[in-house]
Amino acid sequence: NAGVMQNPRHLVRRRGQEARLRCSPMKGHSHVYWYRQLPEEGLKFMVYLQKENIIDESGMPKERFSAEFPKEGPSILRIQQVVRGDSAAYFCASSPPGSGGSYNEQFFGPGTRLTVL
Amino acid sequence: AQRVTQPEKLLSVFKGAPVELKCNYSYSGSPELFWYVQYSRQRLQLLLRHISRESIKGFTADLNKGETSFHLKKPFAQEEDSAMYYCALRRYGGSQGNLIFGKGTKLSVKP
Repeated sequence: NAGVMQNPRHLVRRRGQEARLRCSPMKGHSHVYWYRQLPEEGLKFMVYLQKENIIDESGMPKERFSAEFPKEGPSILRIQQVVRGDSAAYFCASSPPGSGGSYNEQFFGPGTRLTVL
Repeated sequence: AQRVTQPEKLLSVFKGAPVELKCNYSYSGSPELFWYVQYSRQRLQLLLRHISRESIKGFTADLNKGETSFHLKKPFAQEEDSAMYYCALRRYGGSQGNLIFGKGTKLSVKP
């Protein structure tokens, strides 16, 4: 099992461009989570998805950010019209299906470092 | 508001010395507390959780609800313990995704 895969590992965009970050969960995992880490900060929860469903997007900025986890293929975090403040490390995590609200360990990917020029 | 505070950005100790990484939280309900670790050039990984009450790599952490703390301790630090350590909180029974992380403490163990 290769673990959670994220690509690209580094992404450079100019202001106003779009950024697409991909996350392939571990085999057998149907839950995906996205976190953002600004410089000198801890990870901040953005969104939690299951296949074809957004379960919790309470941490997502209201504009320009969207996420999906289609039936086939990786989860995508999309940032439209990037600004310098979007420069951060974006981490994806995955977990197996849970039960009754109990915690299933989240396994993290290596992250994508987004730099906005 | 839910918050996790790790007051030390950097903690430096000598090999064999005791180590304590502090974590305080703010949450009105019943939280689940975790410690995550990130070794150099490796991914973030779960170290331990308060519910399991186990010792991992010699580390232990006790949830103190009175002091709202979940400090991570090890009696004798090893050089391989050098890493970034993050304390995290989740609402018990809440959304499985909603982990709240502290800013992290970098532990440096010197020979």
